[in-house]
Amino acid sequence: AQSVTQPDIHITVSEGASLELRCNYSYGATPYLFWYVQSPGQGLQLLLKYFSGDTLVQGIKGFEAEFKRSQSSFNLRKPSVHWSDAAEYFCAVGAGTASKLTFGTGTRLQVTL
Amino acid sequence: DGGITQSPKYLFRKEGQNVTLSCEQNLNHDAMYWYRQDPGQGLRLIYYSQIVNDFQKGDIAEGYSVSREKKESFPLTVTSAQKNPTAFYLCASRDTGTVSNEKLFFGSGTQLSVL
Repeated sequence: AQSVTQPDIHITVSEGASLELRCNYSYGATPYLFWYVQSPGQGLQLLLKYFSGDTLVQGIKGFEAEFKRSQSSFNLRKPSVHWSDAAEYFCAVGAGTASKLTFGTGTRLQVTL
Repeated sequence: DGGITQSPKYLFRKEGQNVTLSCEQNLNHDAMYWYRQDPGQGLRLIYYSQIVNDFQKGDIAEGYSVSREKKESFPLTVTSAQKNPTAFYLCASRDTGTVSNEKLFFGSGTQLSVL
């Protein structure tokens, strides 16, 4: 069965600092990988996705993620964080169909001014 | 604007009561999903439907029921058999047309609490 681990429950960064959120997955074949963001009391919005090809994927709001098969990781990065990036971030892995997406437990990002 | 509408935003359930959460989409998506979100546990799949008049159980279907009589609508009923219903419920939909559309569109959620 597929699984996702987000080891950091809560991260605090200063505005303008760089950010990296960790995601490790377990899946036998080539996974479909996603990062979603959720503002309090709201639904989730897709930041970026990886299916195949270039292992460095660009997303919305200046985010990027790198797929590393050897490390089973799909870490999310942003070079300079803005206060509006404060939210909860979820990594998810799929087997090719979104109906079987497995979500991680999320990382809450706090941004200090 | 196209999107997914969940109602109500907040819902309270009494002991032994069934309650129904509404989910409507005007994105013309074939597939629809219900997730339950608990603090620190991420999202867990309750039920999903790939096409009208068909649906499958997800990972935590016990105590829940759904119907899919129309493409636009996928209501979720939380029955009295669900002993711990307090959670944030998210509805989502997906365009199943092409692989490149493999992403979920989410509603803004319903917070269900027990009185």
